[in-house]
Amino acid sequence: GQQLNQSPQSMFIQEGEDVSMNCTSSSIFNTWLWYKQDPGEGPVLLIALYKAGELTSNGRLTAQFGITRKDSFLNISASIPSDVGIYFCAGQLFGGNKLVFGAGTILRVKS
Amino acid sequence: GAVVSQHPSWVICKSGTSVKIECRSLDFQATTMFWYRQFPKQSLMLMATSNEGSKATYEQGVEKDKFLINHASLTLSTLTVTSAHPEDSSFYICSVKVGRPSYNEQFFGPGTRLTVL
Repeated sequence: GQQLNQSPQSMFIQEGEDVSMNCTSSSIFNTWLWYKQDPGEGPVLLIALYKAGELTSNGRLTAQFGITRKDSFLNISASIPSDVGIYFCAGQLFGGNKLVFGAGTILRVKS
Repeated sequence: GAVVSQHPSWVICKSGTSVKIECRSLDFQATTMFWYRQFPKQSLMLMATSNEGSKATYEQGVEKDKFLINHASLTLSTLTVTSAHPEDSSFYICSVKVGRPSYNEQFFGPGTRLTVL
């Protein structure tokens, strides 16, 4: 089936540093979504991307939808302790109704 | 977006019993909801798509007779784990689909932790 390759698997960074993670696929997606999940909670939608090449920001978060519709990155600027969690990318195929999820990136922040 | 609740937030049951988990869309009429399962340190795995007023669509490998889904109203979908066994212990999360049919923003509930003894 379709897979999203998400990297890195985990990151341990210093507070204040910028963070970058990405997802790639061999499939073309209609929509890319980025979620954050805290322990024991459901994922929370951070950013939704619809157009190829689209660059969208949400506070300190910036995400871009690749021009080929096969990849996306998420950047977090000036990380803070509450950024800790697991970040998932998710994509919807054209004509599909379901989301395909990446394996997640575990973010840890040293204060 | 959509505000989604789940009940219960956690449940412990004995092997062989059945457990019902409710998923409610509090501020949005959801024709489509999704049920996911998440094992520790893993990503979300889609179990089934729940459509209001019709039968759910199950993913390959998910037993429809074991995981009963009912979506009787636009604000409520239920997942019943029948004859639960320890291997069914997991974090079950529902989501609500919002937006235009061609797009698919999903908003998730807080999840239900199921532990089968």
